[in-house]
Amino acid sequence: QVQLQESGPGLVKPSETLSLNCTVSGGSISTYYWTWIRQPPGKGLEWIGYISHTGSTNYNPSLKSRVTISVDRSKNQFSLKLTSMTAADTAIYSCARQSYGDYIDYWGLGTLVTVSS
Amino acid sequence: EIVMTQSPATLSVSPGERATVSCRASQSVSSNLAWYQQKPGQAPRLLIHGASTRATGLPARFSGSGSGTEFTLTITSLQSEDFAVYYCLQYNNWPPYTFGQGTKVEIK
Repeated sequence: QVQLQESGPGLVKPSETLSLNCTVSGGSISTYYWTWIRQPPGKGLEWIGYISHTGSTNYNPSLKSRVTISVDRSKNQFSLKLTSMTAADTAIYSCARQSYGDYIDYWGLGTLVTVSS
Repeated sequence: EIVMTQSPATLSVSPGERATVSCRASQSVSSNLAWYQQKPGQAPRLLIHGASTRATGLPARFSGSGSGTEFTLTITSLQSEDFAVYYCLQYNNWPPYTFGQGTKVEIK
């Protein structure tokens, strides 16, 4: 059973960069696609982007200028960086496995990130 | 960007009754649609992909149907563990992949 666990700061200051990690267990990060999703309080789910098993990336056009997703195969881990954070970026951030660019089949629990000074 | 519209936002159903959740796409997504269930404090769980293919181990009371722009998730004979929020996801035209706003199925 694949499990994903997000880790990172729960509080980020405006204009700073958010850095989150997702540790994958029960499966290799060298297969499938690995995805970040977020959900602002009281709002819907937003796909942020993915990194594929080959290392290629694809991002939501609305966030593309601020997002970087990378992978550390030695730790079976992938990461999200989101720059120039504002209050509008306050959300639960979740990592997930995506079936080769298709549907998402496993999700992490998510971690709340609040942007505040 | 394809907009996914779910209805209703909240559905009140008695245990043992049928629940029907709808998802409409702003343009055709073929059969590239998935459904998820999320309970408080838990990660979303994949229920259906390919519009109608049940995930491994999913009870038969869950079924998905539709193609193109209109999709339905049906839960026959609701059990207590089925009260949750349900989301649809289109993966036909991307980026971005887009989700419905969610439907809360609550106890009547």
